[in-house]
Amino acid sequence: GEDVEQSLFLSVREGDSSVINCTYTDSSSTYLYWYKQEPGAGLQLLTYIFSNMDMKQDQRLTVLLNKKDKHLSLRIADTQTGDSAIYFCAETSNSGYSTLTFGKGTMLLVSP
Amino acid sequence: EPEVTQTPSHQVTQMGQEVILRCVPISNHLYFYWYRQILGQKVEFLVSFYNNEISEKSEIFDDQFSVERPDGSNFTLKIRSTKLEDSAMYFCASSGNLGQEGNGYTFGSGTRLTVV
Repeated sequence: GEDVEQSLFLSVREGDSSVINCTYTDSSSTYLYWYKQEPGAGLQLLTYIFSNMDMKQDQRLTVLLNKKDKHLSLRIADTQTGDSAIYFCAETSNSGYSTLTFGKGTMLLVSP
Repeated sequence: EPEVTQTPSHQVTQMGQEVILRCVPISNHLYFYWYRQILGQKVEFLVSFYNNEISEKSEIFDDQFSVERPDGSNFTLKIRSTKLEDSAMYFCASSGNLGQEGNGYTFGSGTRLTVV
């Protein structure tokens, strides 16, 4: 079945860039997503990329997709303490009713 | 901004008891979902619901689980006889379309279910 893997923890200093990486196995993935979860809150969609794109930029966020290596990354420029959260990579494939397959999440800790 | 609302935020129940988790999806959405996350593990798909019936379910969603849309606003997940391993955060989500467009899903804040 489909699988999505992420590193579990990343620590950066405020003002630095953060890069969170994700790999997936499903070659039929159509959309790949990054969700953010703050303590006690739900899953907030940050950004997404369609599988025929290589890059998408949205303000401080840059998503890079290497479809050949099935590798997705999220770069957060000028990381702030408010960016501290868990970041989930997820994908949907052409099968089923758009169910999302999630990774375990990467905890990003931003220190002042 | 429209929200998906889940109640309660935390539920503690004894093993073997029935629980009902409640969700109010976004009012003009057509597709409804339940996902769960066991502590330290991945967020897993349970079930999707459209046009008053289940459209897809995972192998986790066995006979102990059921979903219902009892009126025009609520979407519920019932666990008939809870087991310790049902302890998890349960997320409800809704979307207006099949969710293939990137911003199709809106998730609720989750209900943390603890079975003792």
